[in-house]
Amino acid sequence: QVQLQESGPGLVKPSETLSLTCTVSGFSISSGYYWGWVRQPPGMGLEFIGSIYHLGNTYYSPSLGGRVTMSVDKSKNQFFLNLTSVTAADTAVYYCVREYYYADSGYPSDSWGQGTRVTVSS
Amino acid sequence: DIQMTQSPSSVSASVGDRVTITCRASQGINSWLVWYQHKPGKAPKLLIYGASKLQTGVPSRFTGSGFGRDFTLTINSLQPEDSATYYCQPANTFPRTLGQGTKVDIK
Repeated sequence: QVQLQESGPGLVKPSETLSLTCTVSGFSISSGYYWGWVRQPPGMGLEFIGSIYHLGNTYYSPSLGGRVTMSVDKSKNQFFLNLTSVTAADTAVYYCVREYYYADSGYPSDSWGQGTRVTVSS
Repeated sequence: DIQMTQSPSSVSASVGDRVTITCRASQGINSWLVWYQHKPGKAPKLLIYGASKLQTGVPSRFTGSGFGRDFTLTINSLQPEDSATYYCQPANTFPRTLGQGTKVDIK
């Protein structure tokens, strides 16, 4: 059974870069599909950040204004999120997800990490 | 970009009631619509994919319907454990913008 686990610093200073790692077990990233990030700011709804295909194609939310970069390390079965120039508005719980292909149904996020809380503060 | 609009934003109902949540896409998305359930402190859970297909292990009181722009999630015979926020999302287009969520409370 696939499991995802986020890791990274829980506190980031304003204007710095937020970097998170998602470690996948029970399923090889090389097998395919998309791998993504979703966040939930305090008191708000879920927000799609971006997705990366196993071959490296990336798709980011335009609302993040080009501050997002995602990458994959298949040898470690990990994928990564970098968010630059963070502000307090980037404070959130960050989830990594597997977007698995379901025939005639697209790529729902069928597996989620437990989430990691990141606070942006000096 | 496709925008997803859910209604209502919150609903309070009694155990045994039927609850209906709607989701409208700004453009047609065929049946590529998924629903998630999110409880505080937990990871979101996939409930329905392909607009109407129940994810393995999800109780049959959850049903989904719709095609194109208009979709519905129905909880038949609401149970206490269904208290959560529910989100819709397009599953075959980018960005995969989620709806703003519908909070379901038990009276």
